[in-house]
Amino acid sequence: GQNIDQPTEMTATEGAIVQINCTYQTSGFNGLFWYQQHAGEAPTFLSYNVLDGLEEKGRFSSFLSRSKGYSYLLLKELQMKDSASYLCACMDSNYQLIWGAGTKLIIKP
Amino acid sequence: NAGVTQTPKFRVLKTGQSMTLLCAQDMNHEYMYWYRQDPGMGLRLIHYSVGEGTTAKGEVPDGYNVSRLKKQNFLLGLESAAPSQTSVYFCASSPPDRRETGELFFGEGSRLTVL
Repeated sequence: GQNIDQPTEMTATEGAIVQINCTYQTSGFNGLFWYQQHAGEAPTFLSYNVLDGLEEKGRFSSFLSRSKGYSYLLLKELQMKDSASYLCACMDSNYQLIWGAGTKLIIKP
Repeated sequence: NAGVTQTPKFRVLKTGQSMTLLCAQDMNHEYMYWYRQDPGMGLRLIHYSVGEGTTAKGEVPDGYNVSRLKKQNFLLGLESAAPSQTSVYFCASSPPDRRETGELFFGEGSRLTVL
């Protein structure tokens, strides 16, 4: 079956660095995606990885290892506004997104 | 700069009632999707459309119907609502060149409660 696993909740301190992990098992693979979702709001696209390695975009970076079925989202210089849920998703062989349940990130001052 | 607009934002139904959720996008996107989001679970695809006049079933289509009569609109209908359909519903759209990059544009969500 298809499965996306990520931690339910994480806590970090303002100004610090946090890494949110995601492991996946899907039928076919056409990319790994991260979305941010603030409470009560819509998800917004953060990043896309289809090749192994690190993609950096400002304070956010996303890493992919296809052989390990593993990705992480790295957030640097954490700000209070980064408190949100972070959704990991894989695109399967039919170009459909399979979503994880999300990781709720709590930032403390 | 509306993007993707969903109506209504909130609705309470009694078991057995019917209703329609409307999604409108002004970005001329070909692809449109309806998802539901429940606590502790990932977004689940209900139905989707790859263009005007076409629809297809997603992961959890039972109890829902959809129509895409105009390119900019994607309607989600519940013919006989059940408590299991209490959820937050998200509409999303994407242009063809973003489909493979998985960049979806989401509406603000519609919170539905079925009593």
